[in-house]
Amino acid sequence: DGGITQSPKYLFRKEGQNVTLSCEQNLNHDAMYWYRQDPGQGLRLIYYSQIVNDFQKGDIAEGYSVSREKKESFPLTVTSAQKNPTAFYLCASSATGTPGNTIYFGEGSWLTVV
Amino acid sequence: GDSVTQMEGPVTLSEEAFLTINCTYTATGYPSLFWYVQYPGEGLQLLLKATKADDKGSNKGFEATYRKETTSFHLEKGSVQVSDSAVYFCALSSTGRRALTFGSGTRLQVQP
Repeated sequence: DGGITQSPKYLFRKEGQNVTLSCEQNLNHDAMYWYRQDPGQGLRLIYYSQIVNDFQKGDIAEGYSVSREKKESFPLTVTSAQKNPTAFYLCASSATGTPGNTIYFGEGSWLTVV
Repeated sequence: GDSVTQMEGPVTLSEEAFLTINCTYTATGYPSLFWYVQYPGEGLQLLLKATKADDKGSNKGFEATYRKETTSFHLEKGSVQVSDSAVYFCALSSTGRRALTFGSGTRLQVQP
């Protein structure tokens, strides 16, 4: 089935560690996105990519990094510089970045700092 | 910049009641407008969308009309069910920012 796969579903990070969240899509979409959701709040944009080998910072990019080496993959690294990383992370994709295109979401990854 | 404002929740209704969740926006140009729904512990699912003024999006009994004159995209349903209990997000995308900007979400609780 076509869709967006995020892994792992649950991840625990120790203080000072970097962790990488995986996002893979088989929808042949050009654009991909990462959002962060804190409990009871809306979604905030971390990074987005309109095309392979290109990406832009969103509203809360500090402490995060991404790469887009393949069309189907857009991994997010949460670095030790991110002081409050505990949150629900959502990856998304759309056919192109054109406004009006539907953006589809994965099932999300829960990151907890221990 | 772009922004979306939604009514505060939670909204608690009895089954078969009428639902309205207000959404207003600020954006440059002519944005596209969306409603997404999130069930506990899951990602977001598109509920409906509208891409130009006066368009009406509809799905599963939910409707919303793109009102440019009032910069609004209110979500309505004539008769809610317990299974509609979820968090609803209003969002927009514009040529100025080719990614969704979300409202804070409105939790809907439907009681039998």
